[in-house]
Order: sequence, then structure tokens, then C-alpha cells
Amino acid sequence: GEKVEQHESTLSVREGDSAVINCTYTDTASSYFPWYKQEAGKSLHFVIDIRSNVDRKQSQRLIVLLDKKAKRFSLHITATQPEDSAIYFCAASLNSGGSNYKLTFGKGTLLTVTP
Amino acid sequence: EAAVTQSPRNKVAVTGGKVTLSCNQTNNHNNMYWYRQDTGHGLRLIHYSYGAGSTEKGDIPDGYKASRPSQENFSLILELATPSQTSVYFCASGRRGAETLYFGSGTRLTVL
Repeated sequence: GEKVEQHESTLSVREGDSAVINCTYTDTASSYFPWYKQEAGKSLHFVIDIRSNVDRKQSQRLIVLLDKKAKRFSLHITATQPEDSAIYFCAASLNSGGSNYKLTFGKGTLLTVTP
Repeated sequence: EAAVTQSPRNKVAVTGGKVTLSCNQTNNHNNMYWYRQDTGHGLRLIHYSYGAGSTEKGDIPDGYKASRPSQENFSLILELATPSQTSVYFCASGRRGAETLYFGSGTRLTVL
């Protein structure tokens, strides 16, 4: 099955700097790559995604890059703010039949933004 | 926003006991999932379902059973709980054909 490796387990940046979290996946059939955020003591919620038909997507301060050749994707958070501090999970999705998908998550990156 | 409710929020069980974790979603989503979250492992898929009456094994199904009696409800059952099943369990739901998942608040299970 699909395996997703999230390279940074922790990341610390100064407020205003950029943060980059990198993930790799194994299955070339994966076609959808979302990112989820988990604030301390809370549940996960979706933040941004990218599909395999594009190599870049931006939503405000979040940028996702996809390199299908290298089977690598990354989340860039620009102009970081203290409220960006959280655990970020990358995931890859395979079509598991019909229009259903199964997400495989990375282990998470704890991002700390210091003032 | 999608509403996924898990119960209980916290549970302490004894080794060998039976534990049932419940999940309810009110958004008419076809797909529901059970994940566990452990430090160093991230989120791992235990069981999932594409509709009432159906369940599928995820990546780590051993020691767990699942039940989807209705569109709204999806339960995770530990027939004989073990300390290695101490974890935080998350339920999630999603629409068929759409990949975005909506997560519940989680259940913290401690097996003594």
C-alpha cells in the first residue's frame, strides 16, 4: 500500500519567516495530496490540497508544491504567525474503487512559531 | 461545516474488557473512517466504511472490529482490549467522490 514519509518531525521558525514541510510518497497512482492542521489538544482540520494535474497551488499564505517525478510534495507557509503553531499532517490519496478514496497520512510535523 | 461527534471523549478500560467507541455524523456523508493517533506513528487507518452495512479493513485492523448500522453511525469495537490499544482515536467522514475528511474531536482511550 501507499506509504507517506514526512521528513521533519519538528520545525521551529521565527514569526514572519517562512516554514517548509516536506513529504514523499511511494505509489505513483496517488493523485490527491491534502494537508491537515491539528492545534494543541484539538482535532484535525483540512487546510489545503493539491491534485496531480497541477504542480503548484496557493491559498493566501499557504503554498503547496508537487513534484510527481520525485514523488515529493511540500507545504510552504509564508509570513508565519504564532497561530500557525500546530501539528501539520500531509497525506496521499489513492482511488480505492469507484469514486472512493483512501487517505494515508504522514507522521506529522510540529511547527512552532516563536515571536 | 460538517459535524462529527465522538463518544465518549475519554475512556479508561481494563485489559480483556470490551470497549465500544461511537461516532455520529449529521451530514449524510457516505464514507466514514476510524484512525488512531500515536506519537511517532501519526494517523493510522483502522477501519472504514462506504455506506450503511459495509465495513472495510484499513492498514491496522487487527484487534478491532467496526460496525456501520446506519448512514449516521460508525462504531469501533475492541472485543478484548489490550494496553497497546491505548491511544487517541479519531473518527472522520467524507462525501463519496470527495477527498476532504471532517474529523471528530477524538476519544482518548487508556487500557490498564
